[in-house]
Amino acid sequence: AQSVTQPDIHITVSEGASLELRCNYSYGATPYLFWYVQSPGQGLQLLLKYFSGDTLVQGIKGFEAEFKRSQSSFNLRKPSVHWSDAAEYFCAVGADSGGSYIPTFGRGTSLIVHP
Amino acid sequence: EAGVTQFPSHSVIEKGQTVTLRCDPISGHDNLYWYRRVMGKEIKFLLHFVKESKQDESGMPNNRFLAERTGGTYSTLKVQPAELEDSGVYFCASSWGPRGEQFFGPGTRLTVL
Repeated sequence: AQSVTQPDIHITVSEGASLELRCNYSYGATPYLFWYVQSPGQGLQLLLKYFSGDTLVQGIKGFEAEFKRSQSSFNLRKPSVHWSDAAEYFCAVGADSGGSYIPTFGRGTSLIVHP
Repeated sequence: EAGVTQFPSHSVIEKGQTVTLRCDPISGHDNLYWYRRVMGKEIKFLLHFVKESKQDESGMPNNRFLAERTGGTYSTLKVQPAELEDSGVYFCASSWGPRGEQFFGPGTRLTVL
């Protein structure tokens, strides 16, 4: 069975600083990987996904993630954080279930942005 | 275009009572998913509908949970009788195709006292 580890429960950064959120996964086959963001009172929004091809994936809101098979990692990065990026971030690995990708989520990382 | 909506946003009930959660997917999305997040833990998959049929219900915790999607539009998730460990946030998501992006609703926060 697949699993996802997000080792950081909370991360605090200053506005304008760079950000890296860590994600490690366990999956026996080629993984389908996702990052979602949940802002207060909102549903989860897909930031980016990796299915195959280029291991550096660009997403919305200026985020990117790099798939490293050798490290079983899919870390999320942003060069300069904005106050509006304060939210909870979820990494997920997708398993093919009857033709649908059902994500297995990590526990989430809460991002706090200081002015 | 309206997103996925869920009702109610919050529900507080006593152990042993019944609660019904509702999800309205994005219009035209045949695929509908239910997830649950128990406080401090991962978001876990409960089940997947394709139109009105249950495609995968492997994540349903026990027979106190009943999900329906009559007519292939909105879906309900009933918990009867509710137990303390059922507390958490219940998310619904929908997608156009089985491999399409899942759009999530804001969730229903259920508290069982």
